[in-house]
Amino acid sequence: DSGVTQTPKHLITATGQRVTLRCSPRSGDLSVYWYQQSLDQGLQFLIHYYNGEERAKGNILERFSAQQFPDLHSELNLSSLELGDSALYFCASSPGAGGGETQYFGPGTRLLVL
Amino acid sequence: TQLLEQSPQFLSIQEGENLTVYCNSSSVFSSLQWYRQEPGEGPVLLVTVVTGGEVKKLKRLTFQFGDARKDSSLHITAAQPGDTGLYLCAGANPGNFNKFYFGSGTKLNVKP
Repeated sequence: DSGVTQTPKHLITATGQRVTLRCSPRSGDLSVYWYQQSLDQGLQFLIHYYNGEERAKGNILERFSAQQFPDLHSELNLSSLELGDSALYFCASSPGAGGGETQYFGPGTRLLVL
Repeated sequence: TQLLEQSPQFLSIQEGENLTVYCNSSSVFSSLQWYRQEPGEGPVLLVTVVTGGEVKKLKRLTFQFGDARKDSSLHITAAQPGDTGLYLCAGANPGNFNKFYFGSGTKLNVKP
């Protein structure tokens, strides 16, 4: 158990809908990272938040947005969902601002768009 | 194209065999990490290599960071079925320390 929690574990929805994925980092960690992993693919970095502020952006679509709240939990919002958005979404956390720190991954949210 | 290229993509071997997985880039990395991911779970960190030429051993796993800090390898001796999983290398983008890239992964299957 990494100490990172993600909810929900599974999510099934329809095209065009909007969903929110939630992540609680390990106690004391200030950074939260979001990744997307499609079937048989590696991890695609989406976005990194550090202490409430956006730190870095990866290949995140405009339909996707994220935020980190004062209690350091984070939410990833996916809107106007398409079939191709079906994937595993992982959240990770690290103690500091990044820069190659060890990242601790949550169990992931499996999203299926029908 | 991936910033970090891993090879091979797939590896299926018998228990007891040795294997090496490679992670290569044209860019220099301040550090490289190796993760192992089991189906349906998040990646778990195995090791971080920081110094060029560094070699780290973790039981039957040996990790090496290239002298130029552009590549790394993972060698497993006497593989066991419990080693089965997806092995991912990852590193911080030297142009932006806050962007963390993962390689495409090597899927290892060790048959009993």
